[in-house]
Amino acid sequence: EAQVTQNPRYLITVTGKKLTVTCSQNMNHEYMSWYRQDPGLGLRQIYYSMNVEVTDKGDVPEGYKVSRKEKRNFPLILESPSPNQTSLYFCASSEQGRTLHFGNGTRLTVT
Amino acid sequence: KQEVTQIPAALSVPEGENLVLNCSFTDSAIYNLQWFRQDPGKGLTSLLLIQSSQREQTSGRLNASLDKSSGRSTLYIAASQPGDSATYLCAVKNNDMRFGAGTRLTVKP
Repeated sequence: EAQVTQNPRYLITVTGKKLTVTCSQNMNHEYMSWYRQDPGLGLRQIYYSMNVEVTDKGDVPEGYKVSRKEKRNFPLILESPSPNQTSLYFCASSEQGRTLHFGNGTRLTVT
Repeated sequence: KQEVTQIPAALSVPEGENLVLNCSFTDSAIYNLQWFRQDPGKGLTSLLLIQSSQREQTSGRLNASLDKSSGRSTLYIAASQPGDSATYLCAVKNNDMRFGAGTRLTVKP
């Protein structure tokens, strides 16, 4: 089944403790991206990647890192999480210029 | 900087009604525009994608139009059903992707 898989679905952590949210797609898509969704602010793009080893900042990249070493994986790294990064995170992928497919989301709470 | 606006923020209609959701954007140099549906606590499901060279796309009871020059798109839902209740988001793609805040639709039986 074609899908975008994020892990974990739920994560509670403390300020400053490094964490990684994984994202994997099995559709051989070139384009992958990360978003955060906050009440009243909608979905905002954090980082995107047009292909392996090619990443670029979205609207709200501060406090996040990404890497794209393989086509299928696009992990989101929070080196030193802070409470303002508490949010619902989505990973998505697509062929270039085609329909965007979303994962089921990761709800992160930073205390 | 691209800004995407959706009006109305919320809409409640009786079952069977035809309805239109609106999306406007400030930069017409887009690659494409997509409409998504999001159910509470879930991810986004793509409904329709319109390439910048296209004027409209249709899927079942849904029809989306795109007017790049005026920076507007509409999503038309025919004969609405309670199962259509969800939040509908539009998103425009330049190199990055920008979303509207969504329209929360409730269809009452």
